[in-house]
Formats: sequence, structure tokens, C-alpha cells
Amino acid sequence: EPEVTQTPSHQVTQMGQEVILRCVPISNHLYFYWYRQILGQKVEFLVSFYNNEISEKSEIFDDQFSVERPDGSNFTLKIRSTKLEDSAMYFCASRGTIHYEQYFGPGTRLTVT
Amino acid sequence: GQNIDQPTEMTATEGAIVQINCTYQTSGFNGLFWYQQHAGEAPTFLSYNVLDGLEEKGRFSSFLSRSKGYSYLLLKELQMKDSASYLCAVRPGYTGTASKLTFGTGTRLQVTL
Repeated sequence: EPEVTQTPSHQVTQMGQEVILRCVPISNHLYFYWYRQILGQKVEFLVSFYNNEISEKSEIFDDQFSVERPDGSNFTLKIRSTKLEDSAMYFCASRGTIHYEQYFGPGTRLTVT
Repeated sequence: GQNIDQPTEMTATEGAIVQINCTYQTSGFNGLFWYQQHAGEAPTFLSYNVLDGLEEKGRFSSFLSRSKGYSYLLLKELQMKDSASYLCAVRPGYTGTASKLTFGTGTRLQVTL
């Protein structure tokens, strides 16, 4: 069964450093998303991406964040200058064109020290 | 604004039936989803309701009443592996091409012997 994959599974970085989180969505999906979940809290929407551009972004997704689809398979989230409060699990999700359910990757646990 | 309420925790016995409720007040509505999330893992899709009524899928059923802003997830013949958090999520009313999901805080279900 096709699935969303994410790398790395865990990333530790120092405050102020740049990180890139990588995702490979399900191959025939056209809608892509990033969510985050701070430990013990709810899943929060960051950004959606369709047709090679951002479709919607939340208040969390400020100028420090960017997304890219550099080729036909990868979807990346970059945080330019990480802050302590960016520590969270980051989930990539994708969906197809017929059904509305989103399929989540296993997540990248980001720890900012 | 968006407000999605679920009980924080529930406990049930193996083999029993449990109902997890979700109420929502959102700016528009275009479908409600239930996801299962085991600790430290990604949310996995369980069900989708957009019209009023009951959707049954094996041991899991989900109900929606749009006029009451209310849904429930019914789990039958509980198994120990059903111990997890159950997340209610709403798709907003605007028909953006890549519309996000807004999640509740989740209900942590513990199944006991």
C-alpha cells in the first residue's frame, strides 16, 4: 500500500540554525500539507500546497518557514532560523483528487536546543 | 473561528463498545474526519462524514449531525490495540482547492482487561 515517507525521523538542531524536513508524498497525490504537533497538544495546520504554489498558510507559517517541491517526488519544509518553540513533531500529509482524506507520514521529531 | 471539543480521556473494557463524542463550531463546514493516533506515531485515517447519518466500516462507525454540530465515533468489540488517541477534524466551509483540516485535541482511549 502506498504511503507518505518522511526524513529524517529525528532532527536535533541548535537555535538559529536552518533545518530542512523532507517528505515524499503518495505518488499520484496532488495536494500536500505540513502540520505540526507540539508534545501533548493538538495537530496544527501549517501550510497547504497545490499546483506548485502555496494554497493556504496559517499564522504559524511566518517568514521563517518555506516550502518547496524541488522535483516530481519530494516536498520540503525549511525553517530558516529555528527557535526553541519550533520543537515539535512535523507531519507531512497528502491527498488525491477524488477523496478528501489526508494521509500522514510518520513525522519528523524536531528538537531545538 | 474554529472550536472542536472532545473528552480528554476515556477508559473502556476489552470486548465492550465505546462512543467518543465531538462537537464543533466552525466557520463553515465541509466534512468531518476521525483519525486514530498511537503515541509517537502519525494520525491514520478512520472515517469521513459529510452528510448526516451513520457510516459503518467494520468495527468502527461514525455519525454526523450537521444541524447539531455533533459527531461520534463508535468502536465495537474493543481490542487492546485500540488504545490510542482519537482525533476529530473538520474541513472548513470554503471550497479552497487544498483545504486544511482543523483538529480537536483528541480523546485518549485506554482499553483495559
